[in-house]
Amino acid sequence: AQSVTQPDIHITVSEGASLELRCNYSYGATPYLFWYAQSPGQGLQLLLKYFSGDTLVQGIKGFEAEFKRSQSSFNLRKPSVHWSDAAEYFCAVGGLRGWSGGGADGLTFGKGTHLIIQP
Amino acid sequence: GAVVSQHPSRVICKSGTSVKIECRSLDFQATTMFWYRQFPKQSLMLMATSNEGSKATYEQGVEKDKFLINHASLTLSTLTVTSAHPEDSSFYICSAKLGGTYEQYFGPGTRLTVT
Repeated sequence: AQSVTQPDIHITVSEGASLELRCNYSYGATPYLFWYAQSPGQGLQLLLKYFSGDTLVQGIKGFEAEFKRSQSSFNLRKPSVHWSDAAEYFCAVGGLRGWSGGGADGLTFGKGTHLIIQP
Repeated sequence: GAVVSQHPSRVICKSGTSVKIECRSLDFQATTMFWYRQFPKQSLMLMATSNEGSKATYEQGVEKDKFLINHASLTLSTLTVTSAHPEDSSFYICSAKLGGTYEQYFGPGTRLTVT
């Protein structure tokens, strides 16, 4: 079955420390990959996306992610977190239902990782 | 650019009534819009895909007669929750996709509470 796994439900990081949030997907071909952040009661903010090309993707607010085909992973990283980074983070995948060209399937989301920043 | 709005942001309705949520793409024409549902402290689940001028495609387990979706124009899709019940209380988020692209732009969400 096609799926997106975020194995860490909660992560606590000290302000200024580095961060890595894990995301694994199950799919037979190269999907389109996204990371979103959501603050409580708010909508989604796109941090970065991967469609093709360079497997190391730079996003907003200092985030980056690396697509590793061999590991079916798309982990999100940040070298130094800020208190404002506290949020729920979702990894999402498109293309799990035969997305092609102008296809329009919706995204499949992981269950999310709740990031807590310690002062 | 690529801004998507939703209205209302919050709505409270009584059990048995219907409520309509609007999703608008403000600065682009969206050939496809998507509706997601998010329960508290859970992930987003795709409910349906809506293409302008055609019937929506619903995900398995989503009642199409309960969640009516209309995509009458390239900038507006509506979700109507009919005969709402407390278990329909949730955060509903729409997204819109520009034709020929893969990225979706998300609205800010609508918090529905059914009493």
